[in-house]
Amino acid sequence: GDSVTQMEGPVTLSEEAFLTINCTYTATGYPSLFWYVQYPGEGLQLLLKATKADDKGSNKGFEATYRKETTSFHLEKGSVQVSDSAVYFCALPDTGRRALTFGSGTRLQVQP
Amino acid sequence: DAGVIQSPRHEVTEMGQEVTLRCKPISGHDYLFWYRQTMMRGLELLIYFNNNVPIDDSGMPEDRFSAKMPNASFSTLKIQPSEPRDSAVYFCASSLADGFAFGSGTRLTVV
Repeated sequence: GDSVTQMEGPVTLSEEAFLTINCTYTATGYPSLFWYVQYPGEGLQLLLKATKADDKGSNKGFEATYRKETTSFHLEKGSVQVSDSAVYFCALPDTGRRALTFGSGTRLQVQP
Repeated sequence: DAGVIQSPRHEVTEMGQEVTLRCKPISGHDYLFWYRQTMMRGLELLIYFNNNVPIDDSGMPEDRFSAKMPNASFSTLKIQPSEPRDSAVYFCASSLADGFAFGSGTRLTVV
């Protein structure tokens, strides 16, 4: 079945450091891909998405490129801030049913 | 729009008690989902509805869990009887097209 694999956390960075959170997927066809962010005590919010191969999703300084050759959708940010501390989830739609399958989540902690 | 609204935000109950979680989806969204989040298992889909009709409940862990959607603006997830292993954060989400919106969740603690 469809699945998403994310790098293990937590990831601890200093402010202004470069961020990469790896995400690879297994799916039938070429589904849309998503990154969601969960701030402490809150629900998940859509961060960015890409709908086809080679698309780049971007939002709030975060970027991710849909790579079908490596089945990856890595999240990057050039300079993180303390306010980026959160849990990040990679996700894709289930094949054959209308729901999202999520990765295990990667906790990011940014220190001043 | 107020977004997806869940209540209560926190619930502490004793083992064996009935627990009811509530969700109001975004108006106009035709899909509604219930997810459970735990440290061990991450985010798991429990059940989802389309136009108030349950489509897939294969993620509901046991017969102790039940969900209803009596109309387009309200859904409940009920656990009866509750057990300590049900302690988790339960999220409701609604969707139209490929956009999903999540509520803030209900943190359930069963003691």
